[in-house]
Amino acid sequence: KNQVEQSPQSLIILEGKNCTLQCNYTVSPFSNLRWYKQDTGRGPVSLTIMTFSENTKSNGRYTATLDADTKQSSLHITASQLSDSASYICVVSDRGSTLGRLYFGRGTQLTVWP
Amino acid sequence: EADIYQTPRYLVIGTGKKITLECSQTMGHDKMYWYQQDPGMELHLIHYSYGVNSTEKGDLSSESTVSRIRTEHFPLTLESARPSHTSQYLCASSERGGPHNQPQHFGDGTRLSIL
Repeated sequence: KNQVEQSPQSLIILEGKNCTLQCNYTVSPFSNLRWYKQDTGRGPVSLTIMTFSENTKSNGRYTATLDADTKQSSLHITASQLSDSASYICVVSDRGSTLGRLYFGRGTQLTVWP
Repeated sequence: EADIYQTPRYLVIGTGKKITLECSQTMGHDKMYWYQQDPGMELHLIHYSYGVNSTEKGDLSSESTVSRIRTEHFPLTLESARPSHTSQYLCASSERGGPHNQPQHFGDGTRLSIL
């Protein structure tokens, strides 16, 4: 069964600290992995997309890594800010159809305290 | 930022009413999607469209229906709302081509509560 599991479910850190969010998946055949940020009451916003051949991609203070062999990804946030408080969702796409079906994780709820 | 808009943002309505949730995008994207999201849970695809006059059901069974008469417009309709329809509904769009590597752009959602 194709699945995407994220950990931790929730995380609280102090402003200025770094953190790493994890994503494990069993989706096959793999096409790409995306990280989205979803602020409370808003729609998800794309942070990064990585294909099989990419093992790291950065977007400002966000750096995503991908290990396609172990089917694991991480999202590292550097020097956290209050505005980083949000749910971070890992999404994996398969190559099994033209649609490129997306499998969503339940997200990690990050809270940054001052 | 992506230009995709959903209205209303919030809707509280009684059982049995007919509801239409609006979604419009100004990016000229061919592909559009409707997702349902409950608190703390993953997004579930309920409808999608490849283009005008194309609509398909998603993974999650839904009593809602959709239409795609114009590229920019993808409304979702519930003929008779029930409390079980209470949820957040997110609309998204993406470009044609390179189907596996195009990001989806999401609207801010409609939070629907059926009394």
